[in-house]
Amino acid sequence: DADVTQTPRNRITKTGKRIMLECSQTKGHDRMYWYRQDPGLGLRLIYYSFDVKDINKGEISDGYSVSRQAQAKFSLSLESAIPNQTALYFCATSDLGSSTDTQYFGPGTRLTVL
Amino acid sequence: AQRVTQPEKLLSVFKGAPVELKCNYSYSGSPELFWYVQYSRQRLQLLLRHISRESIKGFTADLNKGETSFHLKKPFAQEEDSAMYYCALSGLPGSARQLTFGSGTQLTVLP
Repeated sequence: DADVTQTPRNRITKTGKRIMLECSQTKGHDRMYWYRQDPGLGLRLIYYSFDVKDINKGEISDGYSVSRQAQAKFSLSLESAIPNQTALYFCATSDLGSSTDTQYFGPGTRLTVL
Repeated sequence: AQRVTQPEKLLSVFKGAPVELKCNYSYSGSPELFWYVQYSRQRLQLLLRHISRESIKGFTADLNKGETSFHLKKPFAQEEDSAMYYCALSGLPGSARQLTFGSGTQLTVLP
């Protein structure tokens, strides 16, 4: 089955460390997204990419950077992690050729910054 | 700007009772509305979208442009419906389409 995968699934790190979260997809979708989920705040968009050469900031991009290494891979980096970046991070994909904006989500990465 | 409001963070109903999860949106154009669901320890997945006018797992949602609402309804709740539900809106035209999510409603269906 075509899928969206995220690594690692869980990560505990310390303030100031650099962290990279990775997302891979076998759906053949052009568009990829990174969200963070916080209790009471829902999902908020961090960055999104509509193809390999296209990177766009979302609602809360400060403190984050991304890299679209290939159509199937979209990585999220925290250059210097801080405790308020503790959250559940989701990657998602969608199909440029689709008539709707249905997004398909990965299983999430739980990040804890101490 | 586009905004989605889900006024209830928590909602509990008894099995067999009707359930309605509220969603209101703010957008000046013609939005596309979705409901996503996240069951315990599972990934977020699409439940239904308004353009399909479909019923999924007994749930329906009607877009009311006058009230700018997209409430999710089910006449007889089941225990397996317990989950986090997110309403989402896609409003920007063309290639800039993004989803804006509400803050979510945790539904608990009691036995």
